[in-house]
Amino acid sequence: AQKITQTQPGMFVQEKEAVTLDCTYDTSDQSYGLFWYKQPSSGEMIFLIYQGSYDEQNATEGRYSLNFQKARKSANLVISASQLGDSAMYFCAMWPGSSNTGKLIFGQGTTLQVKP
Amino acid sequence: EAGVAQSPRYKIIEKRQSVAFWCNPISGHATLYWYQQILGQGPKLLIQFQNNGVVDDSQLPKDRFSAERLKGVDSTLKIQPAKLEDSAVYLCASSLVGTGLSIYEQYFGPGTRLTVT
Repeated sequence: AQKITQTQPGMFVQEKEAVTLDCTYDTSDQSYGLFWYKQPSSGEMIFLIYQGSYDEQNATEGRYSLNFQKARKSANLVISASQLGDSAMYFCAMWPGSSNTGKLIFGQGTTLQVKP
Repeated sequence: EAGVAQSPRYKIIEKRQSVAFWCNPISGHATLYWYQQILGQGPKLLIQFQNNGVVDDSQLPKDRFSAERLKGVDSTLKIQPAKLEDSAVYLCASSLVGTGLSIYEQYFGPGTRLTVT
């Protein structure tokens, strides 16, 4: 079964420190995509970073990096130098490569609070 | 570039009433998605349109939910009659195309928060 698991319901981090949000996935597909989205209190989902299953290097986008460990089926998000504006809900999602649609499978989310 | 627009932002109705949500995708985006996000959970895809055709509606409760995308642009999602468990945020998203790696360019609207009492 295709599944995303985020085991941390809530996380705290001090401003300017780095934080890692965990994500594990389950799929039998060889080709797939992994995503992280940020959902602030305003409600919209903001795309942060993408990792393809065949990408050899970990994806990075500014302060965001994805620690992709294929054998462990994990795709953790690392936020460096946390800012107060990073306080939000974070979702890990997967696109199964066997899918012929754009359907994303989301995890339960992790609430991140950045302390000043 | 204008983002995905949704209205209304909030809606409160009683059970057994009907409700409709509207979505206007980013100009030129052929693919439109409706997601349901229940409090404390991740979004779940209800329906995906490619232009004005349905690509995936496997998780749409068709006995009470319906959606249409006339002329391949705007879309409406309707619930009739609503149940208490329909209380959720309904997110609309759009992308240029609906398969392959380009789906990472899936842009979301602000959502409509529905409360059924």
